[in-house]
Amino acid sequence: GDSVTQMEGPVTLSEEAFLTINCTYTATGYPSLFWYVQYPGEGLQLLLKATKADDKGSNKGFEATYRKETTSFHLEKGSVQVSDSAVYFCALRGQAGTALIFGKGTTLSVSS
Amino acid sequence: NAGVTQTPKFQVLKTGQSMTLQCAQDMNHEYMSWYRQDPGMGLRLIHYSVGAGITDQGEVPNGYNVSRSTTEDFPLRLLSAAPSQTSVYFCASSRDTLNYGYTFGSGTRLTVV
Repeated sequence: GDSVTQMEGPVTLSEEAFLTINCTYTATGYPSLFWYVQYPGEGLQLLLKATKADDKGSNKGFEATYRKETTSFHLEKGSVQVSDSAVYFCALRGQAGTALIFGKGTTLSVSS
Repeated sequence: NAGVTQTPKFQVLKTGQSMTLQCAQDMNHEYMSWYRQDPGMGLRLIHYSVGAGITDQGEVPNGYNVSRSTTEDFPLRLLSAAPSQTSVYFCASSRDTLNYGYTFGSGTRLTVV
């Protein structure tokens, strides 16, 4: 079945550092890919998405490119802020389109 | 514009008790899902629905029931609560297109003692 694997956390960075959170997936066909963010004590918010190969999703300085050849959707940000501290989830919506399949999440902690 | 509304926000149950977690959306979304979030496990799909009258099991359905009598509502029932069901529960809804993300509620934190 479809699955998502993302790097284990926690990831601890200083403010203005470069961020990469790796995400790879297994799916038949051409899924849509998503990054969600969860701030402490809150629900999940959609951060960005990409719906076909080579698409780049971007939002709030975060970017991720849908790489079909490596089945990856790595999240990047050039300069993190303390306010980016949160849990980040990679997810896919497969060809059946019924529900999202999530990775286990990566906790990011940014210090000033 | 409320989005996805979950009630209650917090609940403590005794082992063996039953209860219903409520979920309602006002976006006329066809698809709705229930997830549980546990430390180190990410979000796991419990049940989902692709429209009124249609439900199906996800990854971890045991101990939970759902029904979908209207487009707006998708309640999750715990028939006989167990400590293993202590978790944070999220309801989400979406349009029926592959390219669309899900909108999440704010969650219900359930403790079974």
